[in-house]
Amino acid sequence: SQTIHQWPATLVQPVGSPLSLECTVEGTSNPNLYWYRQAAGRGLQLLFYSVGIGQISSEVPQNLSASRPQDRQFILSSKKLLLSDSGFYLCAWSVLAGRADTQYFGPGTRLTVL
Amino acid sequence: LAKTTQPISMDSYEGQEVNITCSHNNIATNDYITWYQQFPSQGPRFIIQGYKTKVTNEVASLFIPADRKSSTLSLPRVSLSDTAVYYCLVGEGGGADGLTFGKGTHLIIQP
Repeated sequence: SQTIHQWPATLVQPVGSPLSLECTVEGTSNPNLYWYRQAAGRGLQLLFYSVGIGQISSEVPQNLSASRPQDRQFILSSKKLLLSDSGFYLCAWSVLAGRADTQYFGPGTRLTVL
Repeated sequence: LAKTTQPISMDSYEGQEVNITCSHNNIATNDYITWYQQFPSQGPRFIIQGYKTKVTNEVASLFIPADRKSSTLSLPRVSLSDTAVYYCLVGEGGGADGLTFGKGTHLIIQP
C-alpha cells in the first residue's frame, strides 16, 4: 500500500532563517506531488505541484521554492522565512488513472515563524 | 476551472442523516466532483468521487443531478467523530486542475 511521510511534524523558526520541509511517498511510481499551505481557519492554498523529477510548477509567487530530486521525494524550501510563512504545510500525491485526480495527503508540518 | 460554493457551516445531531450541497454552475464536460474530509491538524482525506447520478461507498453517498450544476454529499447516521470540514472540488484532475480547496463546510455534530 502507498504511504506518504512528512517531516518534521512541527517547526518553530525565527524570521529570516532558512526552511527545508521534506515529503516522501512509498508504494507508487511517478506520482504527481503537491505542496499546500493552510493558514489558521482558512482553506488550502496550492503552492507547487510536480508531474515528474525536476518538473515544478508554482501556483503562487512567494519566497518559497520546491524541488523534486527523486521520483518520490518533494522538498519545500525557503532562504529567508517571513512571518507570513507560518501555517500548516501539507504534501500530497496522486496518480491520475483514467479518471479524475484523487489526492492523498501526508500528516502535515506545523510551521511557526517568530 | 469550475468554482464551487458550499455553506460555511452546518449543525446536526448524532444519528441523523446530513446532506451538504455544493454548487458548481460552471462545471465542464470532463470534470469530476470529489469530496474530502479534514479534521483539525490533519490533511484532507478523500471521501467520494462521482461524475453523474449517484455514487455510494461505505462512508457516504454522492448525488449529482442531470445538469451536474450541483452535488450533494450525504452522510448517513452521523456520529460525533464526523465533526470536520468537508470540501467539494470540481475538475478533471492532473496538475493544478481541480485542486482549489475553498473554505469548505464546517460540520458540527452534537450529542
